[in-house]
Amino acid sequence: NAGVTQTPKFRILKIGQSMTLQCTQDMNHNYMYWYRQDPGMGLKLIYYSVGAGITDKGEVPNGYNVSRSTTEDFPLRLELAAPSQTSVYFCATLNRGETQYFGPGTRLLVL
Amino acid sequence: EDQVTQSPEALRLQEGESSSLNCSYTVSGLRGLFWYRQDPGKGPEFLFTLYSAGEEKEKERLKATLTKKESFLHITAPKPEDSATYLCAVRSTGNQFYFGTGTSLTVIP
Repeated sequence: NAGVTQTPKFRILKIGQSMTLQCTQDMNHNYMYWYRQDPGMGLKLIYYSVGAGITDKGEVPNGYNVSRSTTEDFPLRLELAAPSQTSVYFCATLNRGETQYFGPGTRLLVL
Repeated sequence: EDQVTQSPEALRLQEGESSSLNCSYTVSGLRGLFWYRQDPGKGPEFLFTLYSAGEEKEKERLKATLTKKESFLHITAPKPEDSATYLCAVRSTGNQFYFGTGTSLTVIP
């Protein structure tokens, strides 16, 4: 099992550009989450999904969009990148035992 | 408002010197309290889940405890490989998780 995979590992964006952060899991977990982690700060929840076709906002959803068409994939879309979106982004799944499994992260720099 | 506060922000210990990390929380309805370990450049790694006051869990040199307002992560006789950032999170009766800012632990040989 690969667990949770995220691509890309690192990306530089210009202000106003768009991109999609990919997240894929092979554990058949229904719950999936997107977090951002800024230096010295805790993880902040952006969006989450309790299953295919169902998504909901977290603490900091502004500037982001998600979709969940399959159990395996949960992409995060940035439409108009801003410097405030410079961060490390983590995708995670949650199993029935309430253990969260995190991906390795995507480091995003917006200049 | 659901909130998690961790202290101290940073902790330096000599190898073998036991100590505790604190996680205090306010949550509308606690569905679980979670401890994670995070190494530099990596995603958090799950350690423990605690559900009710009085509950305790252990794993090697780590022991997590829970009261109605806070949780402690006790580290007994730490080794240099225990150096990492330790994160605490709560899950409310919704499906959201709220994380603290973490405690950065350094264990000196």
